[in-house]
Amino acid sequence: QVNLRESGPALVKPTQTLTLTCNFSGFSLNTRGMCVSWVRQPPGKALEWLALIDWDDDKYYSTSLKTRLTISKDTSKDQVVLTMTNMDPVDTATYYCARVDDYSGFDYWGQGTLVTVSS
Amino acid sequence: DIQMTQSPSTLSASVGDRVSITCRASESISSWLAWYQQKPGKAPRLLIYQAFRLQTGVPSRFSGSGSETEFTLTISSLQPDDFATYHCQQYSRYSWTFGQGTKVEIK
Repeated sequence: QVNLRESGPALVKPTQTLTLTCNFSGFSLNTRGMCVSWVRQPPGKALEWLALIDWDDDKYYSTSLKTRLTISKDTSKDQVVLTMTNMDPVDTATYYCARVDDYSGFDYWGQGTLVTVSS
Repeated sequence: DIQMTQSPSTLSASVGDRVSITCRASESISSWLAWYQQKPGKAPRLLIYQAFRLQTGVPSRFSGSGSETEFTLTISSLQPDDFATYHCQQYSRYSWTFGQGTKVEIK
């Protein structure tokens, strides 16, 4: 079955770079149509799409955050990594990774990881 | 960027009610619209994709309709398990945007 799990630091300081890893199983990012995306949700607020990487290594970013984000994949490890630079307290949120099958909806999600930005 | 506006923000309803949630896009997105259900402390769950296609395993009381800029999620007979927050999401030109969410609460 399909599973995704996010990992990374629970606490980062302002100005630091956040690195999050999504480990997945049950599908391959070498398969045509498969993608992995990152989404975040500040406490009590709406979901915000961040970035997506597809099977062909094409990468797409939120317009408002694209200067701070980098997404990459390691298909040998079934991993997708997201880095976000220059973290700020407003970036405090639960960060999710999700599978996207042929751009048809985010059909499987990880449980999310809460990242707090504070000095 | 395409903006998504959901209404209402909160909806109070009783078990057995028929409820509808609307999502409006700031420009045409054809049928590239998905709906998600989210419960507190949990990840979102995909209900509907491509505006009207029911995700595998989702009860048939959920349905989606609409195209271009206006979309609706309908729950035909609200069940206790359906009290949650619902999010719409558009996909267009390699960019995805969520609405602000609609909380369905017990009346």
